[in-house]
Amino acid sequence: QVQLVQSGAEVKKPGASVKVSCKASGYTFTSYGITWVRQAPGQGLEWMGWISAYNGNTNYAQKLQGRVTMTTDTSTTTAYMELRSLRSDDTAVYYCARGYSYGSGWFDPWGQGTLVTVSS
Amino acid sequence: SYVLTQPPSVSVAPGQTARITCGGNNIGSKSVHWYQQKPGQAPVLVVYDDSDRPSGIPERFSGSNSGNTATLTISRVEAGDEADYYCQVWDSSSDHHVVFGGGTKLTVL
Repeated sequence: QVQLVQSGAEVKKPGASVKVSCKASGYTFTSYGITWVRQAPGQGLEWMGWISAYNGNTNYAQKLQGRVTMTTDTSTTTAYMELRSLRSDDTAVYYCARGYSYGSGWFDPWGQGTLVTVSS
Repeated sequence: SYVLTQPPSVSVAPGQTARITCGGNNIGSKSVHWYQQKPGQAPVLVVYDDSDRPSGIPERFSGSNSGNTATLTISRVEAGDEADYYCQVWDSSSDHHVVFGGGTKLTVL
């Protein structure tokens, strides 16, 4: 079955970086893209960006430009999201989800989520 | 930027019909997707392209979209439907190219 499995929880200090992985299985990795969405405690869903697993093209939310980098490794069918210069308001659960194409469509399935806690 | 407005909460008795709205400027011209999120779990797609259901989602879940409002309808509501529901669209003019509604907490009385 189609599945996305994410890396485990992280605790980071302000100013540090975090890299979350998302291992895909059960489908042709390069035929889809991966989107990243985060959810602060008790809050709604916030879109972070998109990466095409076909050619590596990325699109990021403007507020995260310069701090976020999304990559893929087609040899291991894994997507990565790195967030730098972490602040306390980056504390959230980070999700990856599969999408068919940038600019349209839905996200399905989602990974189980990775809790990133930023605290001094 | 594009804004999607959902009611914070909707309450319904078991067996009744729940309607969760998602308002946006001319949202009828966009494709709307809906997600269900239970506490401590990842979101799950329940309706895509306004009114289509993924395999495995009960027929009780349906959607519509016209004018400035999209609606997720859950018929014969069950206790297990209690969750947060989010609508989603793409909007390239927004800072966030993907826009989510603020979410609606469905309570089954």
